[in-house]
Order: sequence, then C-alpha cells, then structure tokens
Amino acid sequence: GENVEQHPSTLSVQEGDSAVIKCTYSDSASNYFPWYKQELGKRPQLIIDIRSNVGEKKDQRIAVTLNKTAKHFSLHITETQPEDSAVYFCAAQSSSGGSNYKLTFGKGTLLTVNP
Amino acid sequence: KAGVTQTPRYLIKTRGQQVTLSCSPISGHRSVSWYQQTPGQGLQFLFEYFSETQRNKGNFPGRFSGRQFSNSRSEMNVSTLELGDSALYLCASSLVLAHHYNEQFFGPGTRLTVL
Repeated sequence: GENVEQHPSTLSVQEGDSAVIKCTYSDSASNYFPWYKQELGKRPQLIIDIRSNVGEKKDQRIAVTLNKTAKHFSLHITETQPEDSAVYFCAAQSSSGGSNYKLTFGKGTLLTVNP
Repeated sequence: KAGVTQTPRYLIKTRGQQVTLSCSPISGHRSVSWYQQTPGQGLQFLFEYFSETQRNKGNFPGRFSGRQFSNSRSEMNVSTLELGDSALYLCASSLVLAHHYNEQFFGPGTRLTVL
C-alpha cells in the first residue's frame, strides 16, 4: 500500500520567514495530494491540494509543488504569521479501482511561528 | 450545509470495556473514513465505509470495527479497551464520484481516554 513520509516533524521560524515542509510517497499511481492544517484543539482542514497533472499550485502565501518523477511534494508558506502555527499534514490519494480511493497521511509537522 | 458531527466529544473508559463512537457525515456524502490520532503518529487510517460496505481497512486489530447505516451515518466500536487505545478518533466524510479528487471533511473528533 501507499506510504507517505513527512519531514521535518517540527519546524520553528521567525515571523515573516518562509517555511517548507516536504513529503515523499511510494505509490506512483497516486494522483491527488492534499495538505491539511490542524490548529490546537481543532479538526484538520484542507488548505491546498494538487493533482498529479499539475506541477505547482499557489494560493496567496501558500504554494505546493509536485515532482512525480521523484515522488515528492512540498508545501511552501511565505511571509509566515503567528496564526500559521499549527500541525500540517500531507496526504496522498491512491486508487483501488473505480471510485475506490484511499488517503494516506504523513505523520505531521508542528510549525511554530515566533513573533 | 452542516459539517461533520461526532458524538460523544469526550469519553472516559476503563480497560476491558467497550465503546461505540458515532459520526454523522455531511448531507449527501456517502463515504465515511475513521482515523486514530495520537501524538507523534499522525492520522492512522482505521477503515472506510461507502454505501454501508467497508471498502478499505487499515492495520488495526479486530477489536476495532465499524458499520455504516443507510443514511450514511457511521459507528465505530472498540472492544476490550487497552490503555494504548487512548486517542482522538476522527471521522471524515467525502463526496465520492468516479475519477474525482475527493476532499475529506473532518469532524471535531471524539477524545477517548482509557484508564
């Protein structure tokens, strides 16, 4: 089955700096890669996603890149703010056929943005 | 639309007991997935139900089981509780379409403590 590795497990940056979180996946057939943000005591929420036919996607200060050949994808946050502090999870969607999809998550990255 | 809801939000049980958790998906969503979240282990996939059938299963012992009803509501049961079962249990629903990239919407979780 799919295996997703996420690094680093913790990341501390100064407000205004950039943050990068990297993930690798094992199943070359995986076709969808969402990123979830989980604030303390809250539920995970989707912040950005990318499909396998796209190499990069940007939404304001957040961007995601995908390298299908190397089977890795990354989350980039620019001009970080204290409210960006949270746990970030990457995930990869693989298919068992038809409409049967399964999301496999990385173990998460605790991002701390220091004022 | 109302979001994903889970009941109860908090549970305290003792070893050996059993517990049932409930998840109501977003209206129209037919897929419900369950995850166990513990510090450092991220979101570990338990199982997924679609149209009352278990489609995918993670690597958890048979003490963990689930079911889905005709209205897509799902329940998860853990029998013979162990201390290590203490965790936040999250369910997520998605609108499953063939060849679609399925965003998962998470509930607030049930915090289970086993004493």
